[in-house]
Amino acid sequence: GESVGLHLPTLSVQEGDNSIINCAYSNSASDYFIWYKQESGKGPQFIIDIRSNMDKRQGQRVTVLLNKTVKHLSLQIAATQPGDSAVYFCAENRGNNNDMRFGAGTRLTVKP
Amino acid sequence: DAGVIQSPRHEVTEMGQEVTLRCKPISGHNSLFWYRQTMMRGLELLIYFNNNVPIDDSGMPEDRFSAKMPNASFSTLKIQPSEPRDSAVYFCASSTGTGRGYTFGSGTRLTVV
Repeated sequence: GESVGLHLPTLSVQEGDNSIINCAYSNSASDYFIWYKQESGKGPQFIIDIRSNMDKRQGQRVTVLLNKTVKHLSLQIAATQPGDSAVYFCAENRGNNNDMRFGAGTRLTVKP
Repeated sequence: DAGVIQSPRHEVTEMGQEVTLRCKPISGHNSLFWYRQTMMRGLELLIYFNNNVPIDDSGMPEDRFSAKMPNASFSTLKIQPSEPRDSAVYFCASSTGTGRGYTFGSGTRLTVV
């Protein structure tokens, strides 16, 4: 029978190219956002975060952009490497409580 | 720092049996979270604790699931009785508080047959 499950968006890039992974969040009251990377068989790993009073934050090879007007978050990875292949999740912190809600994830595949 | 430690890494059990998953958060982290990851639903928050007190358990699927945090360095997630649809990877995560990133454990892959 047909399997039913999350159909993760996928992004396939060539090694050395830049990658852009997008995420739409739902709650306009969310004030803190994180990007996580999950490799096969491992737990999600923190990459970079951003607060709602910023629209851009840069790390090493990664940049997160936040557009609060359209509730959109993106992760840019420069010079993508095979080790970047993973599922990437955005997460939002909703208001004053301490729980974070995760998006469905995007699978990034880097071709050598 | 050993990170968030979960045990066991893998658990295979028969339907109807009790299952206990364990988590040791990072020392000094005062918030602990239990997530479940499946292909159907992705990452779902089940319950979280602040300073060992359960704050929000609205994500716990049914009464068969229960979680405890008897002290700052240990938490358990129990399923009794287990069912095949409980098969998933269960993650524990900890953080220092509101507006901070989580550190996840390596997860427990549960298979109920």
